Amino acid sequence: GDSVTQMEGPVTLSEEAFLTINCTYTATGYPSLFWYVQYPGEGLQLLLKATKADDKGSNKGFEATYRKETTSFHLEKGSVQVSDSAVYFCALRPYNNNDMRFGAGTRLTVKP
Amino acid sequence: DADVTQTPRNRITKTGKRIMLECSQTKGHDRMYWYRQDPGLGLRLIYYSFDVKDINKGEISDGYSVSRQAQAKFSLSLESAIPNQTALYFCATMGRAVNTGELFFGEGSRLTVL
Repeated sequence: GDSVTQMEGPVTLSEEAFLTINCTYTATGYPSLFWYVQYPGEGLQLLLKATKADDKGSNKGFEATYRKETTSFHLEKGSVQVSDSAVYFCALRPYNNNDMRFGAGTRLTVKP
Repeated sequence: DADVTQTPRNRITKTGKRIMLECSQTKGHDRMYWYRQDPGLGLRLIYYSFDVKDINKGEISDGYSVSRQAQAKFSLSLESAIPNQTALYFCATMGRAVNTGELFFGEGSRLTVL
């Protein structure tokens, strides 16, 4: 079935470092792809999304490009801040389906 | 007030007890979901509902049941709780946007089964 695989954490970076969290997917058809973020003690919230190949989602300095040829949706940010410390989840919504499949999550800690 | 509200936020119970987690939403969404979060496993879908008369099993429905009492309310029950049901449970909603809809999550209900 459709699924996502994301890099294992935890990831620890210094403030202003470059961030990449890898995510690859397996799907039939044309899924929509998402990154969700979970701050400590909170529920998940949408960070960004892309609904078709070559789309780039962006929000709060984060970006991810829907790459059909490599079945990837890697999350990047050029300069992380302490406030970016959270758990990041890659997710996939299969085409014509109201289900959402999540990766295992990657915990990011940014140190001053 | 939160758009998706879960109660209780924290619960400690004993093996064999019946537990109900409740979810209510003010977003007007038809679709509601229950997920379970465990460290290293991400979120796994327990049940979901597309309207009041529609209930669907997810990936890990065994040991759980749900009730969609109204469009805005979706409750999750553990008929006889066991320790491996200790987890963080999330309710979520989704609107009708085909193929692009995002999930809106509650703040979670942490359940500990002793």
